[in-house]
Amino acid sequence: DIVMTQSPDSLAVSLGERATINCKSSQSVLYSSTNRNYLAWYQQKPGQPPKLLIYWASTRESGVPDRFSGSGSGTDFTLTISSLQAEDVAVYFCQQYYTTLTFGGGTKVEIK
Amino acid sequence: EVQLVESGGGLVQPGRSLRLSCAASGFTFGDYAMSWVRQAPGKGLEWVGFIRSKLHGGTTEYAASVKVRFTISRDDSKNIAYLQMNSLKTEDTAVYYCTRGGTYYYPIWGQGTLVTVSS
Repeated sequence: DIVMTQSPDSLAVSLGERATINCKSSQSVLYSSTNRNYLAWYQQKPGQPPKLLIYWASTRESGVPDRFSGSGSGTDFTLTISSLQAEDVAVYFCQQYYTTLTFGGGTKVEIK
Repeated sequence: EVQLVESGGGLVQPGRSLRLSCAASGFTFGDYAMSWVRQAPGKGLEWVGFIRSKLHGGTTEYAASVKVRFTISRDDSKNIAYLQMNSLKTEDTAVYYCTRGGTYYYPIWGQGTLVTVSS
């Protein structure tokens, strides 16, 4: 199975500042025939199910604010929250769907 | 409104069985693969398995950790997906989520049902 490693485990960011979360896969999740990265990002708030934010590494799900963006290719990916809002406090997970689905361990985002 | 509602969770002793249900509404259930994902208390997400739509054979795939012990099925006439869990272990304690989709990302999730395996 592909191992997904997120960093940091947690981070505290001031309101309005940028938050950056990293995700590294143990092997490439870029499928050459489609030139797509099989990588998604989710947000999970306490007591709620995960919410899909980004898929194909950089495509924003409908309704997701544009302060959320995804980037990267191959084995290294980043989720960026450009201007942190109070409602963005949550745990964020990356997920690869290149092979048997696996998730990263999560990154907890808090307000500084 | 697209909705998934899980039920059937609870406290069960190690070695026993439990069946979870996932009732779907707001979309053509039979057109979609359905998956289960679990989350142990305070931990990350673990894919459990999925069942393809009948159009794609209705076959199943499972994570190695549950293969042989867990079985996913579906009743398209009732719009329900099931997760039959046998020979439960304490490490199966988790919130079990039903999701729409199979091998890709999951835009639709249920609220989850808690399964606690303990003597």
